[in-house]
Amino acid sequence: ETGVTQSPTHLIKTRGQQVTLRCSSQSGHNTVSWYQQALGQGPQFIFQYYREEENGRGNFPPRFSGLQFPNYSSELNVNALELDDSALYLCASRNRGGYGYTFGSGTRLTVV
Amino acid sequence: DAKTTQPPSMDCAEGRAANLPCNHSTISGNEYVYWYRQIHSQGPQYIIHGLKNNETNEMASLIITEDRKSSTLILPHATLRDTAVYYCIVRVPSSNTGNQFYFGTGTSLTVIP
Repeated sequence: ETGVTQSPTHLIKTRGQQVTLRCSSQSGHNTVSWYQQALGQGPQFIFQYYREEENGRGNFPPRFSGLQFPNYSSELNVNALELDDSALYLCASRNRGGYGYTFGSGTRLTVV
Repeated sequence: DAKTTQPPSMDCAEGRAANLPCNHSTISGNEYVYWYRQIHSQGPQYIIHGLKNNETNEMASLIITEDRKSSTLILPHATLRDTAVYYCIVRVPSSNTGNQFYFGTGTSLTVIP
């Protein structure tokens, strides 16, 4: 049992639209990271939140944004969707001082 | 920049030890080596991590060379359920960018009956 739940599991959107992906972490996991995994590739770091503030970001444009809430849930928002945004989006969380991240099973986003 | 290099694929006979190599020649002194695996259609699963000492847990052993430029993940008795993509990751602690995990493309391990 992963302890990190992502919704929805699959999603189809049209180019130019906006999408919100959701993640529910384990209680006490106050650090959450989001990753994008294209087909056949390893996950790529998008950003990280700690105590509801972004404290790290990978090489992704500003149209990728996020929120973290006090109840250990978080969101990834992507505006102006492009075809290349089609990927598996993974949420990972840990508690402060924890050594490993627990990953969710991801949301498969398809942009058409 | 993945910071790690792994062979793209490996086979292992069921019941035998699987030894998965990883090169991380540019690793810095405060960067940890993590191993995760990803079974098809699932999120990555934590296996083990280390800084400079060898580590062992119920899943695997991690052998890190003295110069820390490479490591080997050992699954002592591979089973069919160990078939997955294995990622060797360098965790970069940073006050500016958070604790990023740099994933490469991993090693696809196939355990053969």
